[in-house]
Amino acid sequence: QSALTQPPSASGSPGQSVTISCTGTSSDVGGYIYVSWYQQYPGKAPKLMIYEVTKRPSGVPDRFSGSKSGNTASLTISGLQAEDEADYYCSSYAGSNTYVFGTGTKVTVL
Amino acid sequence: QVQLVQSGSELKKPGASVKVSCKASGYTFTSYAVDWVRQAPGQGLEWLGWINTVTGNPTFAQGLTGRFVFSLDTSVSTAYLEISSLEAEDTAVYYCASRHIPWAFAVWGQGTMVTVSS
Repeated sequence: QSALTQPPSASGSPGQSVTISCTGTSSDVGGYIYVSWYQQYPGKAPKLMIYEVTKRPSGVPDRFSGSKSGNTASLTISGLQAEDEADYYCSSYAGSNTYVFGTGTKVTVL
Repeated sequence: QVQLVQSGSELKKPGASVKVSCKASGYTFTSYAVDWVRQAPGQGLEWLGWINTVTGNPTFAQGLTGRFVFSLDTSVSTAYLEISSLEAEDTAVYYCASRHIPWAFAVWGQGTMVTVSS
Protein backbone atom coordinates (compact mmCIF):
# COMPACT_ATOMS: atom_id res chain seq x y z
CA GLN A 1 0.00 0.00 0.00
CA SER A 2 1.67 3.23 -1.12
CA ALA A 3 1.42 6.43 0.90
CA LEU A 4 -1.02 9.03 -0.36
CA THR A 5 0.67 11.96 -2.10
CA GLN A 6 0.66 15.40 -0.49
CA PRO A 7 2.70 18.50 -1.37
CA PRO A 8 5.67 18.84 1.00
CA SER A 9 4.81 22.40 1.89
CA ALA A 10 2.15 25.10 1.67
CA SER A 11 2.06 28.63 2.97
CA GLY A 12 -0.08 31.70 3.31
CA SER A 13 -0.30 35.00 5.11
CA PRO A 14 -2.56 35.48 8.12
CA GLY A 15 -6.17 35.75 7.02
CA GLN A 16 -5.57 34.04 3.70
CA SER A 17 -6.66 30.55 2.71
CA VAL A 18 -4.46 27.56 2.02
CA THR A 19 -5.51 24.27 0.43
CA ILE A 20 -3.64 20.99 0.77
CA SER A 21 -4.23 18.13 -1.64
CA CYS A 22 -4.09 14.41 -0.93
CA THR A 23 -3.94 12.15 -3.98
CA GLY A 24 -4.51 8.44 -3.87
CA THR A 25 -6.17 5.86 -6.08
CA SER A 26 -9.57 4.33 -6.63
CA SER A 27 -8.59 1.71 -4.05
CA ASP A 28 -8.37 4.24 -1.26
CA VAL A 29 -9.31 7.94 -1.51
CA GLY A 30 -11.44 7.48 -4.60
CA GLY A 31 -13.23 4.40 -3.33
CA TYR A 32 -14.43 5.47 0.11
CA ILE A 33 -15.76 8.44 2.08
CA TYR A 34 -13.43 7.56 4.95
CA VAL A 35 -10.82 10.26 4.42
CA SER A 36 -9.57 12.07 7.50
CA TRP A 37 -7.08 14.85 8.21
CA TYR A 38 -4.69 15.30 11.14
CA GLN A 39 -2.78 18.27 12.51
CA GLN A 40 0.56 17.64 14.21
CA TYR A 41 2.77 20.09 16.06
CA PRO A 42 6.48 19.21 16.51
CA GLY A 43 6.97 16.65 19.24
CA LYS A 44 3.23 16.17 19.74
CA ALA A 45 0.69 13.51 18.85
CA PRO A 46 -1.51 14.10 15.81
CA LYS A 47 -4.99 15.58 16.30
CA LEU A 48 -8.04 14.68 14.22
CA MET A 49 -9.33 17.72 12.30
CA ILE A 50 -11.63 16.27 9.62
CA TYR A 51 -13.28 12.86 9.21
CA GLU A 52 -15.47 11.30 6.54
CA VAL A 53 -14.13 13.84 4.02
CA THR A 54 -16.05 16.86 5.33
CA LYS A 55 -17.00 16.42 8.99
CA ARG A 56 -15.37 18.29 11.88
CA PRO A 57 -15.06 16.79 15.37
CA SER A 58 -16.37 18.87 18.21
CA GLY A 59 -13.99 21.72 19.04
CA VAL A 60 -12.32 22.02 15.63
CA PRO A 61 -12.78 25.54 14.23
CA ASP A 62 -14.98 25.87 11.16
CA ARG A 63 -12.00 27.48 9.41
CA PHE A 64 -11.03 23.92 8.58
CA SER A 65 -12.97 22.24 5.80
CA GLY A 66 -12.57 19.17 3.65
CA SER A 67 -13.64 18.02 0.23
CA LYS A 68 -13.00 15.27 -2.28
CA SER A 69 -13.10 14.88 -6.03
CA GLY A 70 -12.25 11.57 -7.60
CA ASN A 71 -9.00 10.24 -6.19
CA THR A 72 -7.99 13.55 -4.60
CA ALA A 73 -9.09 14.90 -1.24
CA SER A 74 -8.37 18.42 -0.04
CA LEU A 75 -8.11 20.28 3.25
CA THR A 76 -8.72 24.02 3.21
CA ILE A 77 -7.78 26.33 6.04
CA SER A 78 -9.58 29.66 5.71
CA GLY A 79 -8.64 32.78 7.63
CA LEU A 80 -5.17 31.39 8.34
CA GLN A 81 -3.88 32.00 11.86
CA ALA A 82 -0.41 31.72 13.34
CA GLU A 83 -1.51 28.70 15.40
CA ASP A 84 -2.31 26.81 12.19
CA GLU A 85 1.40 26.45 11.43
CA ALA A 86 1.91 22.69 11.75
CA ASP A 87 2.23 19.48 9.76
CA TYR A 88 -0.94 18.06 8.22
CA TYR A 89 -1.56 14.47 7.21
CA CYS A 90 -4.43 12.90 5.34
CA SER A 91 -5.49 9.32 5.85
CA SER A 92 -7.85 7.03 3.96
CA TYR A 93 -9.45 3.68 4.44
CA ALA A 94 -7.87 1.38 1.87
CA GLY A 95 -10.11 -1.67 2.00
CA SER A 96 -9.67 -5.01 3.79
CA ASN A 97 -9.67 -3.22 7.15
CA THR A 98 -6.50 -1.30 6.33
CA TYR A 99 -5.62 2.39 6.29
CA VAL A 100 -2.96 4.53 4.68
CA PHE A 101 -1.55 7.95 5.54
CA GLY A 102 -0.41 10.74 3.28
CA THR A 103 3.18 11.92 3.00
CA GLY A 104 2.45 15.04 5.04
CA THR A 105 2.42 18.77 4.34
CA LYS A 106 4.14 21.46 6.37
CA VAL A 107 1.99 24.58 6.54
CA THR A 108 3.83 27.84 7.15
CA VAL A 109 2.09 31.06 8.12
CA LEU A 110 4.11 33.87 6.59
CA GLN B 1 -11.65 12.07 30.44
CA VAL B 2 -10.97 9.75 27.54
CA GLN B 3 -7.26 9.13 27.17
CA LEU B 4 -4.59 6.70 26.09
CA VAL B 5 -1.39 6.68 28.11
CA GLN B 6 1.67 4.94 26.68
CA SER B 7 4.78 3.57 28.33
CA GLY B 8 8.03 5.48 28.42
CA SER B 9 10.94 5.76 26.01
CA GLU B 10 13.05 2.72 25.26
CA LEU B 11 16.67 2.30 24.17
CA LYS B 12 17.40 -1.12 22.73
CA LYS B 13 20.25 -2.84 20.96
CA PRO B 14 19.81 -4.35 17.49
CA GLY B 15 18.32 -7.82 17.71
CA ALA B 16 16.54 -7.17 21.00
CA SER B 17 12.78 -6.93 21.56
CA VAL B 18 10.60 -4.15 22.90
CA LYS B 19 7.03 -4.07 24.22
CA VAL B 20 5.10 -0.81 24.22
CA SER B 21 1.93 -0.46 26.27
CA CYS B 22 -1.11 1.72 25.70
CA LYS B 23 -3.50 2.04 28.66
CA ALA B 24 -7.01 3.33 28.03
CA SER B 25 -9.14 5.20 30.53
CA GLY B 26 -12.39 7.14 30.56
CA TYR B 27 -14.29 4.71 28.35
CA THR B 28 -15.10 1.05 27.88
CA PHE B 29 -11.92 -0.39 26.38
CA THR B 30 -13.68 -3.00 24.28
CA SER B 31 -15.92 -0.45 22.58
CA TYR B 32 -13.29 0.75 20.12
CA ALA B 33 -10.44 -0.69 18.07
CA VAL B 34 -6.84 0.26 18.83
CA ASP B 35 -4.53 1.20 15.98
CA TRP B 36 -0.75 1.50 15.96
CA VAL B 37 1.08 4.20 14.01
CA ARG B 38 4.77 4.98 13.83
CA GLN B 39 6.78 8.02 12.85
CA ALA B 40 10.50 7.75 12.13
CA PRO B 41 12.59 10.83 12.97
CA GLY B 42 11.75 13.66 10.58
CA GLN B 43 9.38 11.42 8.61
CA GLY B 44 5.65 11.05 8.15
CA LEU B 45 3.06 8.86 9.79
CA GLU B 46 2.92 5.15 8.93
CA TRP B 47 -0.09 3.02 9.81
CA LEU B 48 1.08 -0.32 11.22
CA GLY B 49 -2.25 -2.02 11.85
CA TRP B 50 -4.99 -2.47 14.41
CA ILE B 51 -6.36 -4.90 16.94
CA ASN B 52 -10.00 -5.73 17.58
CA THR B 53 -10.40 -5.18 21.32
CA VAL B 54 -13.32 -7.62 21.52
CA THR B 55 -11.83 -10.60 19.70
CA GLY B 56 -8.11 -9.76 19.93
CA ASN B 57 -7.82 -10.30 16.18
CA PRO B 58 -5.00 -8.21 14.66
CA THR B 59 -4.77 -6.76 11.17
CA PHE B 60 -1.38 -5.66 9.86
CA ALA B 61 -0.39 -3.20 7.18
CA GLN B 62 0.68 -4.76 3.93
CA GLY B 63 4.37 -5.52 4.00
CA LEU B 64 4.71 -5.43 7.77
CA THR B 65 6.87 -8.30 8.82
CA GLY B 66 6.10 -10.97 11.39
CA ARG B 67 8.34 -9.15 13.84
CA PHE B 68 5.33 -7.09 14.98
CA VAL B 69 2.77 -8.47 17.45
CA PHE B 70 -0.37 -6.75 18.75
CA SER B 71 -1.92 -8.02 21.97
CA LEU B 72 -4.38 -7.04 24.69
CA ASP B 73 -4.99 -7.34 28.39
CA THR B 74 -8.62 -6.31 28.68
CA SER B 75 -8.54 -6.75 32.47
CA VAL B 76 -6.37 -3.63 32.65
CA SER B 77 -7.69 -1.92 29.51
CA THR B 78 -4.28 -2.08 27.85
CA ALA B 79 -3.06 -2.79 24.34
CA TYR B 80 0.49 -3.81 23.55
CA LEU B 81 2.82 -3.59 20.58
CA GLU B 82 5.81 -5.93 20.65
CA ILE B 83 8.60 -5.74 18.09
CA SER B 84 11.23 -8.46 17.94
CA SER B 85 14.63 -8.61 16.23
CA LEU B 86 14.86 -4.84 16.35
CA GLU B 87 16.70 -3.04 13.55
CA ALA B 88 18.02 0.51 13.39
CA GLU B 89 15.19 1.28 10.95
CA ASP B 90 12.67 0.59 13.73
CA THR B 91 13.82 3.75 15.51
CA ALA B 92 10.66 5.85 15.68
CA VAL B 93 7.91 7.25 17.84
CA TYR B 94 5.15 4.67 18.16
CA TYR B 95 1.61 5.90 18.75
CA CYS B 96 -1.55 4.07 19.69
CA ALA B 97 -4.89 5.54 18.68
CA SER B 98 -8.53 4.56 19.03
CA ARG B 99 -11.43 5.08 16.68
CA HIS B 100 -13.91 6.86 18.89
CA ILE B 101 -15.18 8.32 15.65
CA PRO B 102 -15.75 5.48 13.17
CA TRP B 103 -13.11 5.16 10.48
CA ALA B 104 -10.92 7.89 12.04
CA PHE B 105 -8.16 7.98 14.65
CA ALA B 106 -9.90 10.23 17.14
CA VAL B 107 -7.95 9.67 20.35
CA TRP B 108 -4.16 9.33 20.44
CA GLY B 109 -1.62 8.28 23.00
CA GLN B 110 1.28 10.61 23.70
CA GLY B 111 3.72 8.42 21.79
CA THR B 112 6.62 6.19 22.83
CA MET B 113 10.10 6.80 21.45
CA VAL B 114 11.91 3.57 20.62
CA THR B 115 15.60 3.98 19.79
CA VAL B 116 17.55 1.07 18.37
CA SER B 117 21.29 1.60 18.61
CA SER B 118 24.37 -0.41 19.43
